[in-house]
Amino acid sequence: DVVLTQTPSTLSATIGQSVSISCRSSQSLLDSAGNTYLYWYLQRPGQSPQLLIYLVSNLGSGVPNRFSGSGSGTDFTLKISGVEAEDLGVYYCMQATHAPNTFGAGTKLELK
Amino acid sequence: EIQLQESGPGLVKPSQSLSLTCSVTGYTITSGYDWSWIRKFPGNKMEWMGYISYSGSTNYNPSLKSRISITRDTSKNQFFLQLNSVTTEDTATYYCARWGWYFDFWGPGTMVTVSS
Repeated sequence: DVVLTQTPSTLSATIGQSVSISCRSSQSLLDSAGNTYLYWYLQRPGQSPQLLIYLVSNLGSGVPNRFSGSGSGTDFTLKISGVEAEDLGVYYCMQATHAPNTFGAGTKLELK
Repeated sequence: EIQLQESGPGLVKPSQSLSLTCSVTGYTITSGYDWSWIRKFPGNKMEWMGYISYSGSTNYNPSLKSRISITRDTSKNQFFLQLNSVTTEDTATYYCARWGWYFDFWGPGTMVTVSS
């Protein structure tokens, strides 16, 4: 299975601070058709996960544009440009290029 | 609005079977998409377990293949998870979710504890 390594495991931020989360894959997530099935989800406390980013850099429906995704191959980044209180929770990257779908271990975003 | 809701026992004894139901409203499960089960272990690890497609085909995580079965009742617009021979390592919160290009709708999750 593809292993996704997320760093850091915990992130402390102040409101308004910009932060980044890294997701590194054990193998390239680029498929033979040129697609990269890398996603980012946020799970707020007490809620189910919600989609933030799909196919590396596409914003999910209703997701604020302070969230952005980038990367290629094996290295991917989620950036939050100006953390807001509602952004607290656990962030997961997930890949669907190689079966079975796998998730990163999560990055917990806390208020400093 | 599409909604998914998991239901089932919160406590299962080791070696028994875990059975959960996902009830879907606002969309007919035979119209499209793959209908998935995902679980989150204590400590945040997430695992995709498998899905049943709108056509009824199934696909399972190989790590579970000998123990898992996903079925459906189209008349009730529900799909089901059965996980056999559970151990304490199957203690988790179980989610059902819809997959198209991504998991776009999720249930709130149901916590299942495996304990004697």
